[in-house]
Amino acid sequence: EVKLVESGGGLVKPGGSLRLSCAASGFTFSLYTMNWVRQAPGKGLEWVSSISTTNAYVYSLDSLKGRFTISRDNTKESLDLQMNSLRAEDTAVYFCARSESAGGHYYMDVWGKGTTVTVSS
Amino acid sequence: DIQLTQSPSTLSASVGDRVTITCRASQSISSWLAWYQQKPGKGPKLLIYKASSLESGVPSRFSGSGSGTEFTLTITSLQPDDIATYYCQQYDSYSLTFGQGTKVEIK
Repeated sequence: EVKLVESGGGLVKPGGSLRLSCAASGFTFSLYTMNWVRQAPGKGLEWVSSISTTNAYVYSLDSLKGRFTISRDNTKESLDLQMNSLRAEDTAVYFCARSESAGGHYYMDVWGKGTTVTVSS
Repeated sequence: DIQLTQSPSTLSASVGDRVTITCRASQSISSWLAWYQQKPGKGPKLLIYKASSLESGVPSRFSGSGSGTEFTLTITSLQPDDIATYYCQQYDSYSLTFGQGTKVEIK
């Protein structure tokens, strides 16, 4: 069964840091571009960052650059998101998602259940 | 960034009704559009990719159409299990964006 399981969420104070992880199973992790997407309480989906199969390409939401860093370890079949200088507006459920490709364009075909990050004093 | 505008924001329909959701892009995205279904407390589920391709295992009552800047998701006969929020998402550019969502309710 293809599965993505996020972990690492929790309560953190403004200005603090948190590292999220996503464990993949049931597919060859190293062959897929991976993503983080977040959803603030009661709001819609917002793409955060994507990373290519060999870490060669990383794309991130402009407003997050410098604070959030995506990375992956193909040997451990895991995806990470390092979040620094957290703000209240970063409070959200963070989803890990796999990308499938078609003609060099990537849509997200498998999603995890998410991990909740709350930034509050 | 490419903006996506969905309409309506909320839709109330009866079981068996034909339901249509529209997604408009701020610039042409060819057919690089996906549709997702999200139920409360769950991760999104892919329904349609490349504007009109049905993901494996998704019921045939779901269909997608359109290209360029205007797209639609249609549910031909609404079922109770279809109660959810639906999102479109463009993947024409590396900066991915979603529509704001359409909540589908049973009348």
